[in-house]
Amino acid sequence: QVELQQWGAGLLKPSETLSLTCVVHGESFNNHNWTWIRQPPGKGLEWIGEINHSGSTNYNPSLKSRVTMSVDTSKNQFSLTLISMTAADTAVYYCARGRGVVVYDYWGQGNLVTVSS
Amino acid sequence: DIQMTQSPSSLSASVGDRVTITCQASQDISNSLNWYQQKPGKAPKVLIYDASSLEAGVPARFRGSGAGTHFTFTITFLQPEDVATYYCQQYDSFPRTFGQGTKLEI
Repeated sequence: QVELQQWGAGLLKPSETLSLTCVVHGESFNNHNWTWIRQPPGKGLEWIGEINHSGSTNYNPSLKSRVTMSVDTSKNQFSLTLISMTAADTAVYYCARGRGVVVYDYWGQGNLVTVSS
Repeated sequence: DIQMTQSPSSLSASVGDRVTITCQASQDISNSLNWYQQKPGKAPKVLIYDASSLEAGVPARFRGSGAGTHFTFTITFLQPEDVATYYCQQYDSFPRTFGQGTKLEI
């Protein structure tokens, strides 16, 4: 049974850095791409980017200057770092598995990240 | 970026109804489209992939069709548990983009 479990800080001040980690249970980390998606409260879904087991990434150009993704295959986990957070980055952040790269079929539970002074 | 435009943004229907949501892509994306269902407080769940393929374990009352720039998502016999917001998502090119969502009420 595939399960994604994510964690990270939930309350940040403006200009601080977001760090989230997602661990993958029940699945070989090497078979798929691993993705971060966010959802501002009451709004739609925004794709942040993806990473594969070798560390190859694709980022959303709207966030590219502030985003870094990394993997630790020994721990079956991947991480998201987003610098210079503002109130506009307040959202629920999800990690997800990209089956065949393109179908997001398993998701983490989501982390609400609030940016407020 | 490829823009995905869903319509309607919300709709209300009755149990047993047939419900249709459309998704228009700003350029040709072939069949590179998924549909997701999201219930309040939950992560999205994939229902349809490759525009018309039913995800394993998803009831057959959910259907997808279309190609190119115009796509349709249909629930053929609406059930109370189908109350949710539905999103289309393209994977033809980066960045992956979602429609704005369609909120379905009963």
